[in-house]
Amino acid sequence: SQKIEQNSEALNIQEGKTATLTCNYTNYSPAYLQWYRQDPGRGPVFLLLIRENEKEKRKERLKVTFDTTLKQSLFHITASQPADSATYLCALDINNAGNMLTFGGGTRLMVKP
Amino acid sequence: DTAVSQTPKYLVTQMGNDKSIKCEQNLGHDTMYWYKQDSKKFLKIMFSYNNKELIINETVPNRFSPKSPDKAHLNLHINSLELGDSAVYFCASSRKGITDTQYFGPGTRLTVL
Repeated sequence: SQKIEQNSEALNIQEGKTATLTCNYTNYSPAYLQWYRQDPGRGPVFLLLIRENEKEKRKERLKVTFDTTLKQSLFHITASQPADSATYLCALDINNAGNMLTFGGGTRLMVKP
Repeated sequence: DTAVSQTPKYLVTQMGNDKSIKCEQNLGHDTMYWYKQDSKKFLKIMFSYNNKELIINETVPNRFSPKSPDKAHLNLHINSLELGDSAVYFCASSRKGITDTQYFGPGTRLTVL
């Protein structure tokens, strides 16, 4: 069964709007969570890491929240641009053993001009 | 200056053959990984090596054998290829393990006919 859930349906938004992607997990208490971007035909690229004691983290137009009670992370892209179109993956260490990242299935974001 | 490189980028072969994929990182990282991304885009870890020593071997058939001649290289050898082995294989590296950013290679698309 899927341990980390991301919306498998593509998210289509208009340029300039804020995109919000969701990552839900069950039965774990990860110490941190990572977000990656993957473009077609390329490897994932690291974007942000947020730790369990951090509620929110920002990097330029990106913002990540981490709610350990809801077991959910939200990934926001403000003032979205067509160049932001890609698949976004969340990943966490479900074993907290510090040796293995488990990735969600990713959500494809399409930003239309 | 490619950080993590893989060869070949594409590999088409017949069932039953043996093939290898090479990976090299020039980042000076201690930990290297092999991931498999299937047609549904799920990215799953296969192996993790730290300083040339195997750390993780997820439920991967023993037809898959990683080899790390030195800290900068982690090659993947696959014996007796099967149709189900068709996927994109990504090599990645990180400085000290999964709490650090993982840098992915461009991927090798393996097609088994």
